[in-house]
Amino acid sequence: GNSVTQMEGPVTLSEEAFLTINCTYTATGYPSLFWYVQYPGEGLQLLLKATKADDKGSNKGFEATYRKETTSFHLEKGSVQVSDSAVYFCALSVYQGAQKLVFGQGTRLTINP
Amino acid sequence: GAVVSQHPSWVICKSGTSVKIECRSLDFQATTMFWYRQFPKQSLMLMATSNEGSKATYEQGVEKDKFLINHASLTLSTLTVTSAHPEDSSFYICSAKTGGKETQYFGPGTRLLVL
Repeated sequence: GNSVTQMEGPVTLSEEAFLTINCTYTATGYPSLFWYVQYPGEGLQLLLKATKADDKGSNKGFEATYRKETTSFHLEKGSVQVSDSAVYFCALSVYQGAQKLVFGQGTRLTINP
Repeated sequence: GAVVSQHPSWVICKSGTSVKIECRSLDFQATTMFWYRQFPKQSLMLMATSNEGSKATYEQGVEKDKFLINHASLTLSTLTVTSAHPEDSSFYICSAKTGGKETQYFGPGTRLLVL
């Protein structure tokens, strides 16, 4: 089946620290991979995506590389800010009669000043 | 662009009553809308997919007679929780996309509490 596993949170870091949130997936076929972010009181927003192996998605200083050999899509940022505090969801897109998203469980990130 | 709204953001109801949640795409035509359910500290679980003008397709284990979905226009889909019970209390999130595009745009969610 199709599934996504994220590192468990919560994750708490100091401002300017390096961030990694691990994400691995299981899928049939060749899924697209996504990171969504949910800020407090808001809906999920697409942060970045990659559609094929070795693609790197990037946005707002965040990066993730589609690694087919390790079935991973880890999220990284070199220097986090307080405003990055949110819940981050890794997801894959598969076609099962319609294009559907399968989400990981989410990782809550808190950045302290 | 690509804004999706939900109404209401919060709803509290008595057991046995029905609740309707609206999902609107404000600045684009949503040929497909999705309804998700999120339990505390858990991931989003897809409940159903609806295409404008068609019947919704429900995921396995989701009762279609309990969760009625209507997608009558390109900007509006509704989810009605019929005869709600406390176990239906959850966070319901919709998303929308246009035909041929992969990216889904999410609403802010509706928190339902059934007493």
